[in-house]
Amino acid sequence: AQSVTQLGSHVSVSEGALVLLRCNYSSSVPPYLFWYVQYPNQGLQLLLKYTSAATLVKGINGFEAEFKKSETSFHLTKPSAHMSDAAEYFCAVSDGDYKLSFGAGTTVTVRA
Amino acid sequence: DTAVSQTPKYLVTQMGNDKSIKCEQNLGHDTMYWYKQDSKKFLKIMFSYNNKELIINETVPNRFSPKSPDKAHLNLHINSLELGDSAVYFCASSPDRKEETQYFGPGTRLLVL
Repeated sequence: AQSVTQLGSHVSVSEGALVLLRCNYSSSVPPYLFWYVQYPNQGLQLLLKYTSAATLVKGINGFEAEFKKSETSFHLTKPSAHMSDAAEYFCAVSDGDYKLSFGAGTTVTVRA
Repeated sequence: DTAVSQTPKYLVTQMGNDKSIKCEQNLGHDTMYWYKQDSKKFLKIMFSYNNKELIINETVPNRFSPKSPDKAHLNLHINSLELGDSAVYFCASSPDRKEETQYFGPGTRLLVL
């Protein structure tokens, strides 16, 4: 069975600063990894996904994530935060059984 | 041209009532899902259907019954609603290939009084 741990339930950054959201996973097979974003009162939108093609994955809105097998991590970064990045971010893992297991989420606030 | 749509968006009801939530996707996907997001924003899968066949049925009270009349629709019926059923319910869909992205609907906010 797979699981996801997101370190830090709340991250606060200044506008223009680096955004770093941490995700560690456990999986008994090579995983598929995802980052989703949820804006207030909306559904989840895919930011990016890792499916073993490349360890550095670029997504929408300037986000990217790096898969590190040795550390079982898939951390999400954005070099320069924008006010519109304020949202809830979820890391998720699938081992190919149709079932996504989500982390607890990280709330990002951006200070002007 | 919404990809995954859910109705209603909000649902306020009394304990003991029966209610349904509908989901439709126009992406041509073969697999659909229901997720529950609790008050702490934790997301957990409830059910999944592939071509109208139930493939995932997590530990969910049997008061919850999904129905898939065709592969573009997956409805969720809840009997005898309880206070603990208050949550946001998300429908999602994906192509048949297991590693593909799941596309989520906007959610249905259920409040049981």
